[in-house]
Amino acid sequence: NAGVTQTPKFQVLKTGQSMTLQCAQDMNHEYMSWYRQDPGMGLRLIHYSVGAGITDQGEVPNGYNVSRSTTEDFPLRLLSAAPSQTSVYFCASRSGSSYGYTFGSGTRLTVV
Amino acid sequence: AQSVTQLDSQVPVFEEAPVELRCNYSSSVSVYLFWYVQYPNQGLQLLLKYLSGSTLVKGINGFEAEFNKSQTSFHLRKPSVHISDTAEYFCAVSGLYNQGGKLIFGQGTELSVKP
Repeated sequence: NAGVTQTPKFQVLKTGQSMTLQCAQDMNHEYMSWYRQDPGMGLRLIHYSVGAGITDQGEVPNGYNVSRSTTEDFPLRLLSAAPSQTSVYFCASRSGSSYGYTFGSGTRLTVV
Repeated sequence: AQSVTQLDSQVPVFEEAPVELRCNYSSSVSVYLFWYVQYPNQGLQLLLKYLSGSTLVKGINGFEAEFNKSQTSFHLRKPSVHISDTAEYFCAVSGLYNQGGKLIFGQGTELSVKP
């Protein structure tokens, strides 16, 4: 049981480049979320999903897109990377009956 | 909407001493409350959660927290800390029946346990 798997673990992008952060879970969880973590600001919710085909915006959605075509996968897309998107990104999932989220190990992204 | 305030950004403490990490929340509806721990260069791990019932909640690694509705607080405590408890701790809140279980986090408290 792998839990929540995030790839890549590290990434360096140039300003203006695009990329997709991958997130996959093998627990058949309905709910999935993306957070970014910045020093002194805790974790801020970017986008979340309540099931395949359903997504919604969180606290800081600008500059990010998501889709949920399957229950297992919830990729996060940066269309045109900016230095302000330098952060650590966490994906998390939970089932409908459990209220504790399971987190992935994170992706450390640097935009130069 | 919900919000969380962790009152201390850093808490230094000596090994075997007691510790309390403070968390206040704001919400117009009833809430679920959580504490997560993050060890260096790792993801977040659930320590404990309050959903309903007894206001004193026990979690892993000897931690416990008390839900106080009148003071809108959910402080985390441990009677005797170890070096291995050095980590960042996050308080989080989710509104009851909140679609998608949106989890809102506080800013985090760095616990530093010194020998």
